[in-house]
Amino acid sequence: EPEVTQTPSHQVTQMGQEVILRCVPISNHLYFYWYRQILGQKVEFLVSFYNNEISEKSEIFDDQFSVERPDGSNFTLKIRSTKLEDSAMYFCASSVNHYEQYFGPGTRLTVT
Amino acid sequence: RKEVEQDPGPFNVPEGATVAFNCTYSNSASQSFFWYRQDCRKEPKLLMSVYSSGNEDGRFTAQLNRASQYISLLIRDSKLSDSATYLCVVGNYGGSQGNLIFGKGTKLSVKP
Repeated sequence: EPEVTQTPSHQVTQMGQEVILRCVPISNHLYFYWYRQILGQKVEFLVSFYNNEISEKSEIFDDQFSVERPDGSNFTLKIRSTKLEDSAMYFCASSVNHYEQYFGPGTRLTVT
Repeated sequence: RKEVEQDPGPFNVPEGATVAFNCTYSNSASQSFFWYRQDCRKEPKLLMSVYSSGNEDGRFTAQLNRASQYISLLIRDSKLSDSATYLCVVGNYGGSQGNLIFGKGTKLSVKP
């Protein structure tokens, strides 16, 4: 069964550093998403991406965040200058029809 | 007002029991409805979509009442492997409101 994959599984970074989280969506899916989950809290939507552009974004997704699909298979989330409060689990998801979304295993980001 | 509300539990039930989870959502314009399950420190996994007519998948039955803005999940003959957190999820598309809106989840623990 095809799966969304994410790398790395755990990233530790210092405050102020840039991080790039990587995702490989399911191959025939056209819609891509990033969500985050702070420990003990609910999953929160960050951004959706379709046809090589952002289609929706939340208030969390400010100028420090960007997304890219650099090569037709990878989908990346960049955080330019990390803050302590960016520490969370980041999930990538994909969908064939913008309806049912399938999540990757997540990247645990720890900002020190 | 919380967008998606669930009883946090935990629900502690013996194997073989029937257990029901309820969820309410605040946005009457919501367009799609799902139940996901999430194991500890893992990604949300789609359990089932929820349709107005109600739907069943093996031991799981989901119901949607749009007039009351209420969603339910019934698990019959519960197994030890059903122990997880069950997430009520509502799809709102368009604008910065978000894409999938998650509840905080209801924790289920099935005991032998």
